[in-house]
Amino acid sequence: GAGVSQSPSNKVTEKGKDVELRCDPISGHTALYWYRQSLGQGLEFLIYFQGNSAPDKSGLPSDRFSAERTGGSVSTLTIQRTQQEDSAVYLCASSSGDDTQYFGPGTRLTVL
Amino acid sequence: AQSVAQPEDQVNVAEGNPLTVKCTYSVSGNPYLFWYVQYPNRGLQFLLKYITGDNLVKGSYGFEAEFNKSQTSFHLKKPSALVSDSALYFCAVRDWDTDKLIFGTGTRLQVFP
Repeated sequence: GAGVSQSPSNKVTEKGKDVELRCDPISGHTALYWYRQSLGQGLEFLIYFQGNSAPDKSGLPSDRFSAERTGGSVSTLTIQRTQQEDSAVYLCASSSGDDTQYFGPGTRLTVL
Repeated sequence: AQSVAQPEDQVNVAEGNPLTVKCTYSVSGNPYLFWYVQYPNRGLQFLLKYITGDNLVKGSYGFEAEFNKSQTSFHLKKPSALVSDSALYFCAVRDWDTDKLIFGTGTRLQVFP
């Protein structure tokens, strides 16, 4: 079956611009996670959605970062006023509740 | 707080030889442990997990991992390495409070022909 998909695969933007990253989880998966992978910080958790519960935003690095999940499916991660330190690969994962998270291919964000 | 450590940045092994990628963990309570592999410019692929039960867990692509509670380790192993196994390997533990995965720093496996 289809796995987790993310778009765009690559995004180059200028400092100060806003960007939106999209994640389509595996159909039927109730949990959705965003992580960030960067050279200096490794793999770090950003935000977690579970069903209709309030999201766990404890990993968001600043208030420039936000995410939403519409209809319990697709999620969008928005970064406002991008900075060069935001350059990283943004990974989305989904889970059906069996404790295994399945990851998408990621979006490579480059802020010039 | 939960954490995992991967003490080796890189592991080199000849094709056909057995390989081991090390991981140790620190958790309060029972650990849920995972191994993922990342090929260049790709996302993370799930290899295997330990939740409960047998200490030897078998996963994808011939990989297995041994859970050792006394040594707090969860090393990844394969009896005979392939050049195509060359990739970046991550150990992770599930955080009980948040359900997020806490990752190690990764180990680059290089298999030489």
